[in-house]
Amino acid sequence: EVQLVESGGGLVQPGGSLRLSCAASGFTFSSSDMSWVRQTPGKGLEWVSAISGSDGSTYYADSVKGRFTISRDNSKNTVYLQMNSLRAEDTAVYYCANDKTLIDNWGQGTLVTVSS
Amino acid sequence: EIVMTQSPATLSVSPGERATLSCRASQSVRSNLAWYQQKPGQAPSLLIYGASTRATGIPARFSGSGSGTEFTLTISSLQSEDFAVYYCQQYNNWPPITFGQGTRLEIK
Repeated sequence: EVQLVESGGGLVQPGGSLRLSCAASGFTFSSSDMSWVRQTPGKGLEWVSAISGSDGSTYYADSVKGRFTISRDNSKNTVYLQMNSLRAEDTAVYYCANDKTLIDNWGQGTLVTVSS
Repeated sequence: EIVMTQSPATLSVSPGERATLSCRASQSVRSNLAWYQQKPGQAPSLLIYGASTRATGIPARFSGSGSGTEFTLTISSLQSEDFAVYYCQQYNNWPPITFGQGTRLEIK
């Protein structure tokens, strides 16, 4: 059974940083593309970032480019999202997913709140 | 970036009746269109991919159709567990994948 467990969310001030983690199991992590998708009441579902399983290539939404960094540790079956220079509009539930295009497995999500 | 537009925003249907949800893409996505269902407090779950192929374990009352820019999700006989929010998503032009804003299916 595929499991994706996110952690690391919380309350952070504008301009601050946070690192999200997603621990994966139940599939061959090292060869799998991984993504982060976020959800807000106002903007709905928004793809944030992805990392290739084959060559580690990374991809970002324009809204987070230059501020967020996706990475992976295949020895720990974990994907990360380092979020810097956080803004109020980054407030969302962040989901981890085990694909970069068609998502058939999602984590339970972790809430990030950016507020002073 | 491809913009996905869903209609209506809210659909009120009685149990046992048919529900028809629409999704339009701002440019052709061929058949690279998925539908997801989301219940309160849960992550989205995949229903349909390739515009018309049901994901594993999805009941036959769910069907998808369309190609290019116009797509439809039909639920033939609504069950109580089907009342949820439904999202369409294109994966033809990536990055980014893009989602519609959702249709809330509520009990009439």
